[in-house]
Amino acid sequence: DAKTTQPPSMDCAEGRAANLPCNHSTISGNEYVYWYRQIHSQGPQYIIHGLKNNETNEMASLIITEDRKSSTLILPHATLRDTAVYYCIVRPMDTGRRALTFGSGTRLQVQP
Amino acid sequence: GAGVSQSPSNKVTEKGKDVELRCDPISGHTALYWYRQSLGQGLEFLIYFQGNSAPDKSGLPSDRFSAERTGGSVSTLTIQRTQQEDSAVYLCASSIGRASGANVLTFGAGSRLTVL
Repeated sequence: DAKTTQPPSMDCAEGRAANLPCNHSTISGNEYVYWYRQIHSQGPQYIIHGLKNNETNEMASLIITEDRKSSTLILPHATLRDTAVYYCIVRPMDTGRRALTFGSGTRLQVQP
Repeated sequence: GAGVSQSPSNKVTEKGKDVELRCDPISGHTALYWYRQSLGQGLEFLIYFQGNSAPDKSGLPSDRFSAERTGGSVSTLTIQRTQQEDSAVYLCASSIGRASGANVLTFGAGSRLTVL
């Protein structure tokens, strides 16, 4: 699986957009970008995934650059409940039947 | 069920005892994963089951750890002769297990193990 690089921590003011970057410069054409988050003392939670196009759901938006070497997860109006560790994971679509490994992620602190 | 269910939610045991942790995945999910998370640390992969295939045990830290999945559904993670360093939250996840395409993992709430 392609390696990802994320900043270890970020702060965001409540009500503002949180933009979490992820670098995956070695990504190949058949690899998805997934985002999960882990709120303190809970199991990780799936947020969103994408291949080439930008994606949006009720939780967040995923912006993937045209060269696919980086992406940004956007939480449009961050709340205190969004304080969590956010994980960016890249994984080939044709190895769905294989273990998924998590890096160290970005610790997002939403400030009141 | 509607989600991944794990039991017990909390387990306190004495060093040297054996423990069993249970995971009940989402119905119809063929893939099941176990992870471990020590206090303040990241997620450590332990073992992965996919349908009837041989499990990927590459993450098990020692031969004291084992897991089985009976009937392609419920899984049990067993830790023998527990040590204090085994104290952690043990997380289970399941997914549909597509051979290709996106596979989204759904996690349980975890089992917190404390070894005294």
